[in-house]
Amino acid sequence: QVQLQESGPGLVKPSQTLSLTCTVSGASISNGAFYWSWIRQLPGKGLESIGYIYSSGSTDYNPSLKTPVTISVDTSKNQFSLKLSSVTAADTAVYYCARGGDRLLADAFDIWGQGSLVTVSS
Amino acid sequence: DIQMTQSPSSLSAAVGDRVTITCRASQTVSTYLNWYQQKPGKAPKLLIFAVSNLHSGVPSRFSGSGSGTDFTLTISGLQPEDFATYFCQQTYMTPFTFGPGTKVDVK
Repeated sequence: QVQLQESGPGLVKPSQTLSLTCTVSGASISNGAFYWSWIRQLPGKGLESIGYIYSSGSTDYNPSLKTPVTISVDTSKNQFSLKLSSVTAADTAVYYCARGGDRLLADAFDIWGQGSLVTVSS
Repeated sequence: DIQMTQSPSSLSAAVGDRVTITCRASQTVSTYLNWYQQKPGKAPKLLIFAVSNLHSGVPSRFSGSGSGTDFTLTISGLQPEDFATYFCQQTYMTPFTFGPGTKVDVK
């Protein structure tokens, strides 16, 4: 079955770049029907969409995020990645990758990674 | 952005109870309203998509209803494994937004 797995540093210093990768297994990320998303959950809080990318490289970002965001895709590795620049403590969160875009599921996020806790601290 | 609210923010219930959670959108989301269940330390799981459609493997005690801006998640006959936090989400317009969650705990 399709699985997603986040990877990356668990600790990032303030003002540096947070980088995470999501590896997709059990399906090809090149399936253009889906988009590949990043969502975060601040400690004890709700869920916030960061953005998503299609295998074509087309992206959609949440303009409400104060931190500059870049999502990229590497179809040869079946991975997509997240970069948040100039992070602050407010970016400390659990970061999830997820699959969406199935019109039959109303674009709901049907498959999620297990989550990756990233702490921003010096 | 479309703002999502949920009520109550938390509730206490017993096994076998009927539980109802409400979600309201700041503007219409048509039928692009989804529900997720999240347990501590775990990723959210899709329960219901497009207002009332159960995702694969979701027990039939879960149901959803509503339209436009007002939606409801109902658990008919709460089971021990249902104690969790539930989030609604709109996928009508980007950025996709979630409600703040409703925590269902043991009475």
